[in-house]
Amino acid sequence: NAGVMQNPRHLVRRRGQEARLRCSPMKGHSHVYWYRQLPEEGLKFMVYLQKENIIDESGMPKERFSAEFPKEGPSILRIQQVVRGDSAAYFCASSPVGRDSYEQYFGPGTRLTVT
Amino acid sequence: QQPVQSPQAVILREGEDAVINCSSSKALYSVHWYRQKHGEAPVFLMILLKGGEQKGHEKISASFNEKKQQSSLYLTASQLSYSGTYFCGTERRDDKIIFGKGTRLHILP
Repeated sequence: NAGVMQNPRHLVRRRGQEARLRCSPMKGHSHVYWYRQLPEEGLKFMVYLQKENIIDESGMPKERFSAEFPKEGPSILRIQQVVRGDSAAYFCASSPVGRDSYEQYFGPGTRLTVT
Repeated sequence: QQPVQSPQAVILREGEDAVINCSSSKALYSVHWYRQKHGEAPVFLMILLKGGEQKGHEKISASFNEKKQQSSLYLTASQLSYSGTYFCGTERRDDKIIFGKGTRLHILP
């Protein structure tokens, strides 16, 4: 039973380019969460999605960031026109049901470096 | 509101005990505990759902004091494998998990 998969594991982008981060949840999980982590910091919630729906995007910056979880395929976090401040580790997590306290299973993360 | 974890860092010798605290200024529905090793994904330890609930996982246990809006993680007879950063995540009903900044635990042989 494969765990949560993320790719790429490492991504280097120049300022102004686009970054696309992919997340395939665990089999049977239909809820996906994206988090951003800076060094020595906790996990900052970005967005919570179900298939074809954004449930909560209260943690997403208003500009340049978007997320989707299509009916088929992985969830994608897209960052347009990246800036140095976007450099961070981005983790996705999945759960079999939504909120109300089910454990979340985290992927290995994508480490984005903006040069 | 981000929960506050204390201490920020702990250094122990193998076999010693530790307590990590997590406090919130808001009423909580549940508390989650995760451990993350350097460069790896956070790994789920346990969820506490009810006030006063205590749960255990090997020699790691936790309590949840709903009235005080806080949770404590207890590590007994620590092992080298316990090293890492421990995060608590607090949750209000039908809302997202908000994680603390973490407590770094380093176990010396």
